[in-house]
Amino acid sequence: EAGVVQSPRYKIIEKKQPVAFWCNPISGHNTLYWYLQNLGQGPELLIRYENEEAVDDSQLPKDRFSAERLKGVDSTLKIQPAELGDSAVYLCASSLLQGDTQYFGPGTRLTVL
Amino acid sequence: DAKTTQPNSMESNEEEPVHLPCNHSTISGTDYIHWYRQLPSQGPEYVIHGLTSNVNNRMASLAIAEDRKSSTLILHRATLRDAAVYYCILRTYGGATNKLIFGTGTLLAVQP
Repeated sequence: EAGVVQSPRYKIIEKKQPVAFWCNPISGHNTLYWYLQNLGQGPELLIRYENEEAVDDSQLPKDRFSAERLKGVDSTLKIQPAELGDSAVYLCASSLLQGDTQYFGPGTRLTVL
Repeated sequence: DAKTTQPNSMESNEEEPVHLPCNHSTISGTDYIHWYRQLPSQGPEYVIHGLTSNVNNRMASLAIAEDRKSSTLILHRATLRDAAVYYCILRTYGGATNKLIFGTGTLLAVQP
């Protein structure tokens, strides 16, 4: 069974540029999560989707971050404009249902210059 | 959410058992103890979880203290591929958010 797929794996951009990350969860998983991981820290939840509905986006900086999960499958996380402090690893995870084991993708490492 | 306390780092020798401790003195009756690990350049992966009784699976064993204020993840024979950051997380089921709250974890180094 294929795991959570994320792309790109690495992205380098200049500050003030937009950037987007894509996630394809495990087939049949209703719950999708986006996490942010700074160097030396554990992942922090940005947003959680139940199907196509964002049910927990309290930690998402809405002034520059946005996310969508059209049709309740793939998801895209966008930053516009990117700032130097956004350099981090962005992880996507999915679970069959809320509360089930979460399966993580390999992440996208973003570097903002 | 209740917090966990783990040592920043530990070292082990290959093929020896490893005991990774976790303190969670403010654990509530509905909190499950979860362990995830993160290998270099990868996302976290689930290892094991338990509520009150000790648990075993193909990856590890979880020993939970009788008062549930601490637990220990046991890797029976460490390999070089077990070098990773290990996170101990308390998860409350039935809560509104039901999310994983990661700390900084324990960085396990395995020496050949």
